[in-house]
Amino acid sequence: AQKITQTQPGMFVQEKEAVTLDCTYDTSDQSYGLFWYKQPSSGEMIFLIYQGSYDEQNATEGRYSLNFQKARKSANLVISASQLGDSAMYFCAMREGYNTDKLIFGTGTRLQVFP
Amino acid sequence: EPEVTQTPSHQVTQMGQEVILRCVPISNHLYFYWYRQILGQKVEFLVSFYNNEISEKSEIFDDQFSVERPDGSNFTLKIRSTKLEDSAMYFCASSLAGGPSTGELFFGEGSRLTVL
Repeated sequence: AQKITQTQPGMFVQEKEAVTLDCTYDTSDQSYGLFWYKQPSSGEMIFLIYQGSYDEQNATEGRYSLNFQKARKSANLVISASQLGDSAMYFCAMREGYNTDKLIFGTGTRLQVFP
Repeated sequence: EPEVTQTPSHQVTQMGQEVILRCVPISNHLYFYWYRQILGQKVEFLVSFYNNEISEKSEIFDDQFSVERPDGSNFTLKIRSTKLEDSAMYFCASSLAGGPSTGELFFGEGSRLTVL
């Protein structure tokens, strides 16, 4: 089974609208961390937001928020007020358990923002 | 804002040659990583490094690969006898903490390796 599933290969959103990028995860560990990264066409990986499994509140960073639903094992990224510069590939990733430092990435969602 | 820097940004090499990719992690970070992304595919973990030794490695990270921190600031990935399938973007990353409490994990801009 996939550890991280991103079911949307591509998404379109109009400028200034909000968009939700889906991510579900699979782990039996109680302690884990969830990450979202943005990869523009230039190729770098830009950290957006982090959610720890024990965090009570949903993480927020500016226009980014993480809709963390632990029982459903989902960690969707919400981008509010989309901008043209948000067009990029978005990756969800997880680190699970205490005995590993590695991130497991999903296959990504390509977001295109149009005027 | 502190950042992870990588050199070179792009390297072209002949199959069978050795390549060294260099990274300068964020200065107060303690955990260092290499990931790779084959074109059009997802990002894959290669190795993590803490306290001057490998803490974890994936099945990809075989004897062809090695890492070291030669001078306390640089963190290098050496690929011996490169193969065509080593062509990928290689990302260095660093974090202040490890494990699930890692919080932010910062990546460099990547080094694109092309093996001919």
